[in-house]
Amino acid sequence: GAVVSQHPSWVICKSGTSVKIECRSLDFQATTMFWYRQFPKQSLMLMATSNEGSKATYEQGVEKDKFLINHASLTLSTLTVTSAHPEDSSFYICSATMDGDTQYFGPGTRLTVL
Amino acid sequence: EDKVVQSPLSLVVHEGDTVTLNCSYEVTNFRSLLWYKQEKKAPTFLFMLTSSGIEKKSGRLSSILDKKELFSILNITATQTGDSAIYLCGTLIQGAQKLVFGQGTRLTINP
Repeated sequence: GAVVSQHPSWVICKSGTSVKIECRSLDFQATTMFWYRQFPKQSLMLMATSNEGSKATYEQGVEKDKFLINHASLTLSTLTVTSAHPEDSSFYICSATMDGDTQYFGPGTRLTVL
Repeated sequence: EDKVVQSPLSLVVHEGDTVTLNCSYEVTNFRSLLWYKQEKKAPTFLFMLTSSGIEKKSGRLSSILDKKELFSILNITATQTGDSAIYLCGTLIQGAQKLVFGQGTRLTINP
């Protein structure tokens, strides 16, 4: 149980385009979903916390207009990187929790912006 | 500012050795501490610790929390090459739901 999927697993796009990443909890309803970013050889950095039906809470320094989060249902959250630039290239990981404690992570999406 | 510090940052041992990974934290309104194992992709959940002094065990892995000294350790006995990974420690804050992660420990087990 507690499986989280992400799609796509990797994406390459041109600078200036927008990219949407989906995060789904497959076998449970997630009260909250989280979006993280991870640079090579670094730890996970929380970008935003997302609750179904409400606006996401962004961490300090994360541009909410650049990283749009939509949490349409208890099993789906999307992250859209708008007007992507090479410095946005990173590994994006989502997680979901059903009880507010244990977070279960998706397999991640590797974004490369050319 | 909430802070989680893991040590060592990197560790290389031989198969069969026992390793101890450390995680210390300074957070306001501590709720629980979680350990994850990250191989090539996303972290997989290992343990959640909420109470002091109660060891959690899963096979060759075990972990314990000391809320007085504000640290946790993750032990792996009889290590195998498949234990090679980054081990992440994160703390949950009361009322915030978000995890604050340490830098991770990169563990390499050589055959």
